[in-house]
Amino acid sequence: AQKVTQAQTEISVVEKEDVTLDCVYETRDTTYYLFWYKQPPSGELVFLIRRNSFDEQNEISGRYSWNFQKSTSSFNFTITASQVVDSAVYFCALSETRNFNKFYFGSGTKLNVKP
Amino acid sequence: DVKVTQSSRYLVKRTGEKVFLECVQDMDHENMFWYRQDPGLGLRLIYFSYDVKMKEKGDIPEGYSVSREKKERFSLILESASTNQTSMYLCASSFGGQPLSQYFGPGTRLLVL
Repeated sequence: AQKVTQAQTEISVVEKEDVTLDCVYETRDTTYYLFWYKQPPSGELVFLIRRNSFDEQNEISGRYSWNFQKSTSSFNFTITASQVVDSAVYFCALSETRNFNKFYFGSGTKLNVKP
Repeated sequence: DVKVTQSSRYLVKRTGEKVFLECVQDMDHENMFWYRQDPGLGLRLIYFSYDVKMKEKGDIPEGYSVSREKKERFSLILESASTNQTSMYLCASSFGGQPLSQYFGPGTRLLVL
């Protein structure tokens, strides 16, 4: 079974729309870490955020916000007022205590922001 | 700024050839990783290394080997390339200890004919 599921393969929005990228994870560990990465067309994955399992506070960074809910095992990512430069593939990843250097990546969500 | 570089952005090889993919990081990271990325499958871990001369298998090590003779360099080797190894290969590095972010290189797109 997949440990990280990103059910949305591809999303298209028009600039200035808000968009939420879903991430559902599965783990038996009580301590774990969640990540979001952005992969622009250039190919290099860029780190966006890390969250540990004990910190359920939502986080906002400019137009980006993250909603972590342990009750539903979800760590969703919202972009407010999307821009063309947000077009990329976004990956959610999980790291567990038993081997926290090993990341489990979701299959990614491709976001297309049209002008 | 952390810098992870990979020897080639694009590579074309023939079936049966031995292929070397090189990765170098300049931040004295203990950990280094090799992933392959395929559409619909996300990133899958091939091998990783915690230290010089140390290596561990990831989820899909078959058909690959690795070498880490120096801390900054981690090589991925395809002993006899096959068409099903056509993929994007991504190298990453991170500090040891807590699961801090992994820093990724730009990737090598390998085509095996």
